[in-house]
Amino acid sequence: DAGVTQSPTHLIKTRGQHVTLRCSPISGHKSVSWYQQVLGQGPQFIFQYYEKEERGRGNFPDRFSARQFPNYSSELNVNALLLGDSALYLCASSWDRATGELFFGEGSRLTVL
Amino acid sequence: GQQLNQSPQSMFIQEGEDVSMNCTSSSIFNTWLWYKQDPGEGPVLLIALYKAGELTSNGRLTAQFGITRKDSFLNISASIPSDVGIYFCAGQGGANSKLTFGKGITLSVRP
Repeated sequence: DAGVTQSPTHLIKTRGQHVTLRCSPISGHKSVSWYQQVLGQGPQFIFQYYEKEERGRGNFPDRFSARQFPNYSSELNVNALLLGDSALYLCASSWDRATGELFFGEGSRLTVL
Repeated sequence: GQQLNQSPQSMFIQEGEDVSMNCTSSSIFNTWLWYKQDPGEGPVLLIALYKAGELTSNGRLTAQFGITRKDSFLNISASIPSDVGIYFCAGQGGANSKLTFGKGITLSVRP
């Protein structure tokens, strides 16, 4: 069975640009969460979506947005990129919205120049 | 905001040794979890703890949920080279799956 898949795996953008990151959860999982991991730090919660609705939002500016599609896949969008947005963006899925037992993808490594 | 404290940042042990890692918080959590992250990979769940005082084992790993609900520890016994990686503790406090992670401890195992 396929695990959580994310694309792209690596990308380079310049300041001010926009980026879209994509995530496909494990089959049967209805909850998708996004985390940002800066080098040397633990992952930091950005969003959780369950059944296509936002169920939680972390302390990130409005430049960050996300959505979940009917097939439970998800997109994370970041506008007006800043140098500080350079990080590994992790997507995690779970079978329900309340469990902390998350299954993470390998992440999308974003570099902003 | 909530923060989890893990120290030291790095640990170096000899293959075969046991190692213990601690995680503390200024806030109470309802669930404590331990994840391991290998280079180029996402974190992988090792152990989840749901009840204060709970002691849970998973092979050579043992973890405990502190009775104050503000700390947890992870023990690895008889370490092997594949134990190398970054170990994160994470706390969950609410009705959604939001996790608060510590900064992680990088474990190195000398053969």
